[in-house]
Amino acid sequence: AQRVTQPEKLLSVFKGAPVELKCNYSYSGSPELFWYVQYSRQRLQLLLRHISRESIKGFTADLNKGETSFHLKKPFAQEEDSAMYYCALRSPSNTGKLIFGQGTTLQVKP
Amino acid sequence: DTAVSQTPKYLVTQMGNDKSIKCEQNLGHDTMYWYKQDSKKFLKIMFSYNNKELIINETVPNRFSPKSPDKAHLNLHINSLELGDSAVYFCASSQGVHDNTEAFFGQGTRLTVV
Repeated sequence: AQRVTQPEKLLSVFKGAPVELKCNYSYSGSPELFWYVQYSRQRLQLLLRHISRESIKGFTADLNKGETSFHLKKPFAQEEDSAMYYCALRSPSNTGKLIFGQGTTLQVKP
Repeated sequence: DTAVSQTPKYLVTQMGNDKSIKCEQNLGHDTMYWYKQDSKKFLKIMFSYNNKELIINETVPNRFSPKSPDKAHLNLHINSLELGDSAVYFCASSQGVHDNTEAFFGQGTRLTVV
């Protein structure tokens, strides 16, 4: 069964420190993976997707098929990065369904 | 210029009542979804409609019934509300279901059953 695991419920760092939000997935085929972010009192929105290999707001995520991971990284955290981050796997069922991890709250302290 | 909008934003109701949450998207998308976020912030899909046809029903109790009058709307009706239904419900839409499709989410409806 497809599954997404985010082992950390809360990650607290100081401004300027590097950040890594962990995501592991369980899926036997070629996964489609995403990171979504929810800032305080705002809606969930797409941050980045693995297929684009892009950097958004300084964040990057590399798919590691050997480790079945898709960790989200940023070299220098900013206070405005504080939010809830969800890793998601698109189900191969051709329904558009997203399977979410449990979410990690990132808290960037001044 | 809201893309996916849900009403109401907050809903407090008593056990046993019937309530509806409305969702509308103005993005011209074919596919709409309902997700439930529980008290532990875990997000899980409930339903998905593609061109007004149900394509996902994720073992949700029969008390929950989605209705899609047209492609731009997917409403969620809940009968005989229970305490365990308290959660945040998110509507979302996407252009189709294929590779790389981004899902756009509404702001959520916080349902509290007392």
